[in-house]
Amino acid sequence: KQEVTQIPAALSVPEGENLVLNCSFTDSAIYNLQWFRQDPGKGLTSLLLIQSSQREQTSGRLNASLDKSSGRSTLYIAASQPGDSATYLCAVRSGNQGGKLIFGQGTELSVKP
Amino acid sequence: ETGVTQTPRHLVMGMTNKKSLKCEQHLGHNAMYWYKQSAKKPLELMFVYSLEERVENNSVPSRFSPECPNSSHLFLHLHTLQPEDSALYLCASSQDPGAGGTQYFGPGTRLTVL
Repeated sequence: KQEVTQIPAALSVPEGENLVLNCSFTDSAIYNLQWFRQDPGKGLTSLLLIQSSQREQTSGRLNASLDKSSGRSTLYIAASQPGDSATYLCAVRSGNQGGKLIFGQGTELSVKP
Repeated sequence: ETGVTQTPRHLVMGMTNKKSLKCEQHLGHNAMYWYKQSAKKPLELMFVYSLEERVENNSVPSRFSPECPNSSHLFLHLHTLQPEDSALYLCASSQDPGAGGTQYFGPGTRLTVL
């Protein structure tokens, strides 16, 4: 059964720092991996989607990498801003569970001005 | 109006009440989903509908009853809930329920069961 783990659970950094959020998954049979952002009390916004054949995706200050064989993904945020404060969720589309989206618990990020 | 909308945004109900959550997607998608997000736990998939047919039911208690009258609308009917059912209920849609594309999420309904 696919399990997704995100480390750390919470992170606080000063504005301007570059930071890395980590995601690991137990079953490498995935279709894709997706990073979402969730603001307090709100729904999820998709940030980046990496297909299983890809190694990374970039969007603005965000870069997500995928190492399927080791079951790891990282989300790199460059030059962090207070507006980046949110919970970041990693989810894999699991190949062995009917394409179901399996989520990690998230990393709560706080960027201090 | 675009995207995925959910109503109500907040709901407080007693254990003997009956209420319904509504989701509407304006994206022309064929698949819709209900997720439950409890405090300190990962999102849990509850139901998946594809072209108005239920294709997934993740061992959800019968006190939760989904309804999908057409490809744009999804309901979650609630009755005799328990306090542990208090959570954020998120609706999502995608072009199809298969492995390819992104799911688009609504803002959620914050449910409190007293």
